[in-house]
Amino acid sequence: QKEVEQDPGPLSVPEGAIVSLNCTYSNSAFQYFMWYRQYSRKGPELLMYTYSSGNKEDGRFTAQVDKSSKYISLFIRDSQPSDSATYLCAPGTGGFKTIFGAGTRLFVKA
Amino acid sequence: EPEVTQTPSHQVTQMGQEVILRCVPISNHLYFYWYRQILGQKVEFLVSFYNNEISEKSEIFDDQFSVERPDGSNFTLKIRSTKLEDSAMYFCASSEKETNEKLFFGSGTQLSVL
Repeated sequence: QKEVEQDPGPLSVPEGAIVSLNCTYSNSAFQYFMWYRQYSRKGPELLMYTYSSGNKEDGRFTAQVDKSSKYISLFIRDSQPSDSATYLCAPGTGGFKTIFGAGTRLFVKA
Repeated sequence: EPEVTQTPSHQVTQMGQEVILRCVPISNHLYFYWYRQILGQKVEFLVSFYNNEISEKSEIFDDQFSVERPDGSNFTLKIRSTKLEDSAMYFCASSEKETNEKLFFGSGTQLSVL
């Protein structure tokens, strides 16, 4: 079983839609849960981070963590064409090494 | 806003040549990292560096790779004898805290080995 798994997509939605991006992990030691956004040929950019199970909201973005089922979600409300990117989940143990999922490609059509 | 800068943005080299990729991390950050991304694949951890020594490295980071912080601002990745499979985008990252939940990435150096 891979340590971090994401559906690669692509996921195509119309502008204004609610987007749900999901990630599963296998390592129970993960305590930090991050989402990064990566535009084509650019470095990943931290979008959201959370330390515990539950929801964390930041503007149009909501990160949800369910440690019991090892399931992480990112919701984007009122999606915009500028949200078109690859979204990487990155759970971590707090050590020096961050493991990235393969990413889900999102296209938001105007 | 402070950012991580990487040079060059593109590097083309012949197989067997040495390359040095350069990075200037965010000034108050203490932890430095190199990641790579082969085209179409996921971002992979190479090495982390703190207090002038390697903290952790992956199995990818073999004897052909080395890192250095030659002065107070630069952080470099050297590949001694490049192979075709080293062709990838190399990202430098830095973080303020030991718990690396917030990594700040540069825009990357695209390395092409011919």
